[in-house]
Amino acid sequence: EAGVAQSPRYKIIEKRQSVAFWCNPISGHATLYWYQQILGQGPKLLIQFQNNGVVDDSQLPKDRFSAERLKGVDSTLKIQPAKLEDSAVYLCASSLGSGVGQPQHFGDGTRLSIL
Amino acid sequence: SQKIEQNSEALNIQEGKTATLTCNYTNYSPAYLQWYRQDPGRGPVFLLLIRENEKEKRKERLKVTFDTTLKQSLFHITASQPADSATYLCAFRMDSSYKLIFGSGTRLLVRP
Repeated sequence: EAGVAQSPRYKIIEKRQSVAFWCNPISGHATLYWYQQILGQGPKLLIQFQNNGVVDDSQLPKDRFSAERLKGVDSTLKIQPAKLEDSAVYLCASSLGSGVGQPQHFGDGTRLSIL
Repeated sequence: SQKIEQNSEALNIQEGKTATLTCNYTNYSPAYLQWYRQDPGRGPVFLLLIRENEKEKRKERLKVTFDTTLKQSLFHITASQPADSATYLCAFRMDSSYKLIFGSGTRLLVRP
């Protein structure tokens, strides 16, 4: 089966600019996650969708970050305006459901550099 | 708050030896732990899951243990190979939340 697709792979922007990332999960996966991974750290959950509804966005900086999952399939994550501390890899993951023990399947991420 | 800790220092071992990685957690008793492998420039890949009522889980050369008394999980790779070189992440999820909390990972280097 095809894996989780993300684009772009790399993005360089200046602070205060805006940026958007796109994710296409594995077909049939109801749950979609966006993570932020800063160099040397583990992934940190930003937002979790179940179909097209938000399950958890407690760690999403809502003053600058937004995410949507239209029609319960693809998702976009946007940052506006970007800050220097947003430099990180943004990972998208999906799973069949959100039940206990469901493994998450990750894409290879978008590496964002803020100048 | 819940915390999960992995050794930040890289583990450097000789090919053929057993690699043992440690994951400690505090301030919570998770229902299960997951282990992932992450290669440079790639996303994490799921390896194994172990539940709180399981003492040990095996998959080919991989073995995971879960000690709820010590609040610790050990991840073993037997007969290690240079291809096993990667960062290994542990993660747990609380019953009361859908959120998966990751450790910072331990980098494993296997010398030929």
